[in-house]
Amino acid sequence: DTAVSQTPKYLVTQMGNDKSIKCEQNLGHDTMYWYKQDSKKFLKIMFSYNNKELIINETVPNRFSPKSPDKAHLNLHINSLELGDSAVYFCASSGGGISGIYEQFFGPGTRLTVL
Amino acid sequence: EDKVVQSPLSLVVHEGDTVTLNCSYEVTNFRSLLWYKQEKKAPTFLFMLTSSGIEKKSGRLSSILDKKELFSILNITATQTGDSAVYLCAASGSARQLTFGSGTQLTVLP
Repeated sequence: DTAVSQTPKYLVTQMGNDKSIKCEQNLGHDTMYWYKQDSKKFLKIMFSYNNKELIINETVPNRFSPKSPDKAHLNLHINSLELGDSAVYFCASSGGGISGIYEQFFGPGTRLTVL
Repeated sequence: EDKVVQSPLSLVVHEGDTVTLNCSYEVTNFRSLLWYKQEKKAPTFLFMLTSSGIEKKSGRLSSILDKKELFSILNITATQTGDSAVYLCAASGSARQLTFGSGTQLTVLP
């Protein structure tokens, strides 16, 4: 069974569109994350979220928003896509609360290409 | 702002060599340092270090943390071609999020 799964794996879309990436974890973890990895492989945190608290990296544009229907899911909505949004987006989860000091398990990534 | 710096950025070695990857960090209220291996897809967890001077070991890989000098090293002995990957270092601090370094691209030639 896949621990952290993301859909879709690949997403190609036009500038200005709105898109969503879904993430699900079956590890029973209480905290989930979204990361952006650019072409230089630099992995940057976007959001940390559990059912009590959302921590937003202040550099993330407000066109990006996480939505959590329940504890096992954290989806990423992106409005008005721009060329610079092209990257690989990773979802991750961990146990032990939002402290982030615990091992994080990563999903397989979604490669987003904005044309 | 929290910062993690890894060196070297890339490294090419031959099978059987031993490599040392470096990670220095500046994070407010440091809590832990983590190492990940990233091949073609998602990063996979290697080690988490919270205490200075205690070596963590898994097979040919080992890692140690120096909280006084604010760095960690990851050693890989008797390297194999399957060790080729990007090795990521990340630190956790009061921001309660992981700050990642830019990674070290390791290539092991047969």
